[in-house]
Amino acid sequence: AQSVTQLGSHVSVSEGALVLLRCNYSSSVPPYLFWYVQYPNQGLQLLLKYTSAATLVKGINGFEAEFKKSETSFHLTKPSAHMSDAAEYFCAVSGGSNYKLTFGKGTLLTVNP
Amino acid sequence: KAGVTQTPRYLIKTRGQQVTLSCSPISGHRSVSWYQQTPGQGLQFLFEYFSETQRNKGNFPGRFSGRQFSNSRSEMNVSTLELGDSALYLCASSLERAGRDEQFFGPGTRLTVL
Repeated sequence: AQSVTQLGSHVSVSEGALVLLRCNYSSSVPPYLFWYVQYPNQGLQLLLKYTSAATLVKGINGFEAEFKKSETSFHLTKPSAHMSDAAEYFCAVSGGSNYKLTFGKGTLLTVNP
Repeated sequence: KAGVTQTPRYLIKTRGQQVTLSCSPISGHRSVSWYQQTPGQGLQFLFEYFSETQRNKGNFPGRFSGRQFSNSRSEMNVSTLELGDSALYLCASSLERAGRDEQFFGPGTRLTVL
């Protein structure tokens, strides 16, 4: 069975600072990995997806994530935080023949002016 | 292209009642998944439907059930409601597989059980 751990339920950064949201996964097979974002009072939206084509994945709004198999990690980064990045971010993993998707508990990102 | 729509957006029920939530996926999407979101438990997978068949199921009691129609629209039903069922219920659609393809989420149905 696969699982996802997001380290830090709440991360606070200043506008212009580096954003780093951590995600570790466990999967017995090569996984699909996703980052989704949820803005207040909205549904989730895909930021980026890893499918084994490249270890560094670029997503929307300047976000990117690096797949590190040896560390079983898929951390999300953005060089410079914007006020509009304030939202909840979810890491998710799937794998195996049934592609069952498992979400992490989410990390709430606050951006301070 | 219209997004995923969910009805109703808000619902208030009392314990013991049952409720049916509806989801219309993006046109052409054949996979529909349901999630329960609460502050304490986060986002929990309920089930995924594809071509009118349940393909995956989460760890929820049998009071939670769903179905998918031939036009890919889906409904989920919760019977004998409990206070702990109060949550935001999210529906998501994807082309073929939730765990492989991008999912598009609806705005959710906010269920309050009194």
